Amino acid sequence: GAVVSQHPSWVICKSGTSVKIECRSLDFQATTMFWYRQFPKQSLMLMATSNEGSKATYEQGVEKDKFLINHASLTLSTLTVTSAHPEDSSFYICSARGGTGSSYNSPLHFGNGTRLTVT
Amino acid sequence: GNSVTQMEGPVTLSEEAFLTINCTYTATGYPSLFWYVQYPGEGLQLLLKATKADDKGSNKGFEATYRKETTSFHLEKGSVQVSDSAVYFCALSENRDDKIIFGKGTRLHILP
Repeated sequence: GAVVSQHPSWVICKSGTSVKIECRSLDFQATTMFWYRQFPKQSLMLMATSNEGSKATYEQGVEKDKFLINHASLTLSTLTVTSAHPEDSSFYICSARGGTGSSYNSPLHFGNGTRLTVT
Repeated sequence: GNSVTQMEGPVTLSEEAFLTINCTYTATGYPSLFWYVQYPGEGLQLLLKATKADDKGSNKGFEATYRKETTSFHLEKGSVQVSDSAVYFCALSENRDDKIIFGKGTRLHILP
């Protein structure tokens, strides 16, 4: 089945630094990837839709200059949390729809998430 | 806009009990509906899906039926196991914008 790999699985950084999270589709090409943020009470919030070769589409209330998304190839999207602060600490999860012919009927395949802690 | 509402947890049951997790949705068109499961420390994985009215999705003993008349997609399992302890997310996807919208999740605890 379709596999999405997310790296790193956890990261601790100091306030003011930037952190990059990678999301790769290992056995399929993904023109669209999605980035979610999961809050402590498990609610899953869509942050942005990452489109290969074009700008990401951000959801309302998500700062595009804070959360930089780059989808440079059909198998890689990156989320960079810039000038991280403790309130950015969270669980970030990427996902992608699998392969040729996938549509809105197709399920998402998720990475295992990245636990970010900003001290 | 589209939205998904699911019952708040946590839900605690004994092993072999019957499980229902309610999910209702609001959508302007004809969405596809999904249940995802998240085990501790992991990302989400698809449990089952249904793409049109009256479809029944099933997997690992779980079932959910797409009910357009009641805009619902309740998750059921006849006999739960300790290994079913996880967070369950109901979700929908609609053609017009390709996004998947999730409910807030329901944490399930199964006691041995």
